Amino acid sequence: SQTIHQWPATLVQPVGSPLSLECTVEGTSNPNLYWYRQAAGRGLQLLFYSVGIGQISSEVPQNLSASRPQDRQFILSSKKLLLSDSGFYLCAWSQTSGGDEQFFGPGTRLTVL
Amino acid sequence: QKEVEQNSGPLSVPEGAIASLNCTYSDRGSQSFFWYRQYSGKSPELIMSIYSNGDKEDGRFTAQLNKASQYVSLLIRDSQPSDSATYLCAVSNGYGQNFVFGPGTRLSVLP
Repeated sequence: SQTIHQWPATLVQPVGSPLSLECTVEGTSNPNLYWYRQAAGRGLQLLFYSVGIGQISSEVPQNLSASRPQDRQFILSSKKLLLSDSGFYLCAWSQTSGGDEQFFGPGTRLTVL
Repeated sequence: QKEVEQNSGPLSVPEGAIASLNCTYSDRGSQSFFWYRQYSGKSPELIMSIYSNGDKEDGRFTAQLNKASQYVSLLIRDSQPSDSATYLCAVSNGYGQNFVFGPGTRLSVLP
Protein backbone atom coordinates (compact mmCIF):
# COMPACT_ATOMS: atom_id res chain seq x y z
CA SER A 1 0.00 0.00 0.00
CA GLN A 2 1.01 3.58 -0.53
CA THR A 3 2.34 5.77 2.25
CA ILE A 4 3.23 9.44 2.24
CA HIS A 5 5.60 11.01 4.73
CA GLN A 6 6.29 14.62 5.59
CA TRP A 7 8.80 16.18 7.89
CA PRO A 8 9.21 17.95 10.08
CA ALA A 9 5.79 17.75 11.72
CA THR A 10 6.10 21.18 13.29
CA LEU A 11 8.48 24.05 12.73
CA VAL A 12 8.94 27.48 14.27
CA GLN A 13 11.14 29.82 12.25
CA PRO A 14 12.05 33.51 12.46
CA VAL A 15 11.16 35.91 9.68
CA GLY A 16 13.86 35.95 7.02
CA SER A 17 15.13 32.46 7.71
CA PRO A 18 15.25 29.71 5.05
CA LEU A 19 12.83 26.81 4.80
CA SER A 20 13.00 23.26 3.57
CA LEU A 21 10.07 20.85 3.90
CA GLU A 22 10.30 17.33 2.57
CA CYS A 23 7.71 14.87 1.31
CA THR A 24 8.28 11.28 0.21
CA VAL A 25 5.88 8.70 -1.14
CA GLU A 26 6.25 4.94 -0.84
CA GLY A 27 4.52 2.13 -2.68
CA THR A 28 3.91 3.79 -6.02
CA SER A 29 5.90 4.93 -9.03
CA ASN A 30 5.74 8.17 -10.99
CA PRO A 31 3.03 9.79 -8.86
CA ASN A 32 1.72 13.29 -9.39
CA LEU A 33 2.79 15.32 -6.37
CA TYR A 34 1.28 18.46 -4.88
CA TRP A 35 2.07 21.08 -2.24
CA TYR A 36 -0.87 22.82 -0.57
CA ARG A 37 -1.04 25.44 2.15
CA GLN A 38 -3.91 25.80 4.60
CA ALA A 39 -3.89 29.04 6.55
CA ALA A 40 -5.73 29.13 9.86
CA GLY A 41 -9.48 28.92 9.24
CA ARG A 42 -8.97 28.95 5.50
CA GLY A 43 -9.33 26.50 2.63
CA LEU A 44 -6.61 24.58 0.86
CA GLN A 45 -4.49 26.57 -1.58
CA LEU A 46 -2.54 24.68 -4.24
CA LEU A 47 1.03 25.98 -4.34
CA PHE A 48 2.90 23.60 -6.68
CA TYR A 49 2.32 20.39 -8.55
CA SER A 50 4.65 18.01 -10.34
CA VAL A 51 4.02 15.30 -12.92
CA GLY A 52 7.60 14.02 -12.96
CA ILE A 53 11.22 14.52 -11.91
CA GLY A 54 12.28 18.11 -12.43
CA GLN A 55 8.81 19.13 -13.67
CA ILE A 56 7.27 21.75 -11.41
CA SER A 57 4.32 24.02 -12.05
CA SER A 58 3.53 26.95 -9.79
CA GLU A 59 0.00 28.04 -9.06
CA VAL A 60 0.71 31.07 -6.90
CA PRO A 61 3.66 33.46 -7.38
CA GLN A 62 5.36 33.94 -4.02
CA ASN A 63 8.64 33.53 -2.21
CA LEU A 64 8.33 29.73 -2.15
CA SER A 65 9.80 27.23 -4.58
CA ALA A 66 9.53 23.50 -5.09
CA SER A 67 11.80 20.81 -6.45
CA ARG A 68 11.46 17.14 -7.31
CA PRO A 69 14.94 15.63 -7.29
CA GLN A 70 13.71 12.03 -7.27
CA ASP A 71 10.56 10.29 -8.48
CA ARG A 72 8.97 10.05 -5.05
CA GLN A 73 10.50 13.06 -3.32
CA PHE A 74 9.05 16.56 -3.31
CA ILE A 75 10.66 19.50 -1.52
CA LEU A 76 9.25 22.91 -0.65
CA SER A 77 11.75 25.68 -0.02
CA SER A 78 12.11 29.33 0.72
CA LYS A 79 15.17 31.54 0.95
CA LYS A 80 13.53 34.07 3.28
CA LEU A 81 10.35 33.38 5.20
CA LEU A 82 7.62 35.98 5.64
CA LEU A 83 5.09 36.17 8.46
CA SER A 84 2.39 35.35 5.91
CA ASP A 85 4.07 32.01 5.20
CA SER A 86 2.72 30.60 8.45
CA GLY A 87 0.27 27.78 7.94
CA PHE A 88 -0.28 24.06 7.58
CA TYR A 89 1.66 22.67 4.62
CA LEU A 90 0.29 19.53 3.06
CA CYS A 91 1.87 17.26 0.48
CA ALA A 92 -0.43 15.07 -1.60
CA TRP A 93 -0.05 12.47 -4.31
CA SER A 94 -2.25 11.03 -7.02
CA GLN A 95 -1.85 8.40 -9.70
CA THR A 96 -0.84 9.57 -13.14
CA SER A 97 -3.56 7.48 -14.76
CA GLY A 98 -6.88 6.15 -13.63
CA GLY A 99 -8.68 7.83 -10.75
CA ASP A 100 -7.51 11.30 -9.78
CA GLU A 101 -8.10 11.05 -6.05
CA GLN A 102 -5.49 12.91 -4.04
CA PHE A 103 -4.10 11.47 -0.83
CA PHE A 104 -2.52 13.69 1.78
CA GLY A 105 0.47 13.36 4.03
CA PRO A 106 0.32 14.22 7.74
CA GLY A 107 1.35 17.84 7.11
CA THR A 108 3.86 20.30 8.55
CA ARG A 109 2.66 23.10 10.79
CA LEU A 110 4.88 26.14 10.20
CA THR A 111 4.88 29.18 12.45
CA VAL A 112 6.90 32.18 11.35
CA LEU A 113 7.67 34.63 14.15
CA GLN B 1 -12.36 31.41 -11.59
CA LYS B 2 -13.49 27.94 -10.63
CA GLU B 3 -15.29 27.97 -7.32
CA VAL B 4 -16.54 25.41 -4.87
CA GLU B 5 -18.90 26.64 -2.17
CA GLN B 6 -19.94 25.10 1.11
CA ASN B 7 -21.73 26.40 4.18
CA SER B 8 -19.06 27.00 6.77
CA GLY B 9 -21.28 25.84 9.62
CA PRO B 10 -21.00 24.79 12.27
CA LEU B 11 -23.67 22.23 11.54
CA SER B 12 -24.83 20.62 14.75
CA VAL B 13 -26.77 17.36 14.80
CA PRO B 14 -27.67 15.02 17.66
CA GLU B 15 -26.04 11.63 17.89
CA GLY B 16 -27.87 9.08 15.74
CA ALA B 17 -29.32 11.68 13.35
CA ILE B 18 -28.57 12.16 9.67
CA ALA B 19 -26.07 14.90 8.85
CA SER B 20 -26.47 16.50 5.43
CA LEU B 21 -23.54 18.41 3.94
CA ASN B 22 -23.89 20.35 0.71
CA CYS B 23 -21.54 21.65 -1.95
CA THR B 24 -22.01 23.60 -5.18
CA TYR B 25 -19.43 24.17 -7.91
CA SER B 26 -19.11 26.56 -10.80
CA ASP B 27 -17.18 24.61 -13.46
CA ARG B 28 -19.57 22.65 -15.69
CA GLY B 29 -16.59 20.69 -17.02
CA SER B 30 -16.03 19.06 -13.63
CA GLN B 31 -15.89 15.28 -13.80
CA SER B 32 -14.73 14.06 -10.40
CA PHE B 33 -16.10 14.89 -6.98
CA PHE B 34 -14.67 14.09 -3.59
CA TRP B 35 -15.43 14.42 0.08
CA TYR B 36 -12.63 14.67 2.61
CA ARG B 37 -12.84 14.64 6.39
CA GLN B 38 -10.39 16.75 8.36
CA TYR B 39 -10.09 16.47 12.11
CA SER B 40 -8.74 19.50 13.94
CA GLY B 41 -4.98 19.73 13.50
CA LYS B 42 -4.85 16.77 11.11
CA SER B 43 -4.59 16.38 7.35
CA PRO B 44 -7.61 15.71 5.10
CA GLU B 45 -8.66 12.10 4.67
CA LEU B 46 -10.53 10.96 1.56
CA ILE B 47 -13.85 9.36 2.49
CA MET B 48 -15.87 9.35 -0.76
CA SER B 49 -15.39 9.76 -4.49
CA ILE B 50 -18.25 10.07 -6.98
CA TYR B 51 -18.10 10.42 -10.74
CA SER B 52 -21.63 9.78 -12.03
CA ASN B 53 -25.00 11.33 -11.34
CA GLY B 54 -26.94 9.65 -8.58
CA ASP B 55 -26.10 8.15 -5.23
CA LYS B 56 -23.06 6.22 -4.04
CA GLU B 57 -23.17 4.51 -0.68
CA ASP B 58 -20.27 3.38 1.50
CA GLY B 59 -21.25 2.25 4.97
CA ARG B 60 -22.89 5.16 6.80
CA PHE B 61 -21.87 7.61 4.07
CA THR B 62 -23.85 8.42 0.92
CA ALA B 63 -22.61 10.84 -1.71
CA GLN B 64 -25.13 12.35 -4.09
CA LEU B 65 -24.25 14.06 -7.37
CA ASN B 66 -26.43 16.18 -9.64
CA LYS B 67 -24.32 17.57 -12.49
CA ALA B 68 -27.24 19.47 -14.04
CA SER B 69 -27.65 21.44 -10.82
CA GLN B 70 -23.87 21.49 -10.15
CA TYR B 71 -24.50 20.11 -6.73
CA VAL B 72 -22.94 17.37 -4.65
CA SER B 73 -23.87 16.33 -1.15
CA LEU B 74 -22.77 13.97 1.59
CA LEU B 75 -25.17 12.25 3.96
CA ILE B 76 -23.91 10.69 7.16
CA ARG B 77 -26.40 8.29 8.72
CA ASP B 78 -26.41 7.41 12.40
CA SER B 79 -24.02 10.27 13.14
CA GLN B 80 -21.51 9.64 15.90
CA PRO B 81 -19.50 12.11 18.01
CA SER B 82 -16.42 10.76 16.21
CA ASP B 83 -17.85 12.20 12.97
CA SER B 84 -17.30 15.71 14.37
CA ALA B 85 -14.83 17.26 11.95
CA THR B 86 -14.59 19.63 9.01
CA TYR B 87 -15.78 18.13 5.74
CA LEU B 88 -14.14 19.40 2.56
CA CYS B 89 -15.72 19.11 -0.85
CA ALA B 90 -13.30 18.90 -3.77
CA VAL B 91 -13.99 19.04 -7.49
CA SER B 92 -11.75 18.14 -10.42
CA ASN B 93 -11.98 18.27 -14.18
CA GLY B 94 -9.72 15.24 -14.38
CA TYR B 95 -6.44 17.11 -14.19
CA GLY B 96 -4.74 17.21 -10.81
CA GLN B 97 -3.75 20.83 -10.99
CA ASN B 98 -7.42 21.73 -11.37
CA PHE B 99 -8.43 20.11 -8.11
CA VAL B 100 -10.46 22.80 -6.30
CA PHE B 101 -11.40 22.55 -2.63
CA GLY B 102 -14.30 24.21 -0.92
CA PRO B 103 -13.75 26.03 2.38
CA GLY B 104 -15.25 23.15 4.36
CA THR B 105 -18.24 22.66 6.64
CA ARG B 106 -17.63 22.09 10.32
CA LEU B 107 -19.86 19.31 11.68
CA SER B 108 -20.52 18.85 15.37
CA VAL B 109 -22.33 15.69 16.51
CA LEU B 110 -23.74 16.17 19.98
CA PRO B 111 -23.89 13.17 22.34
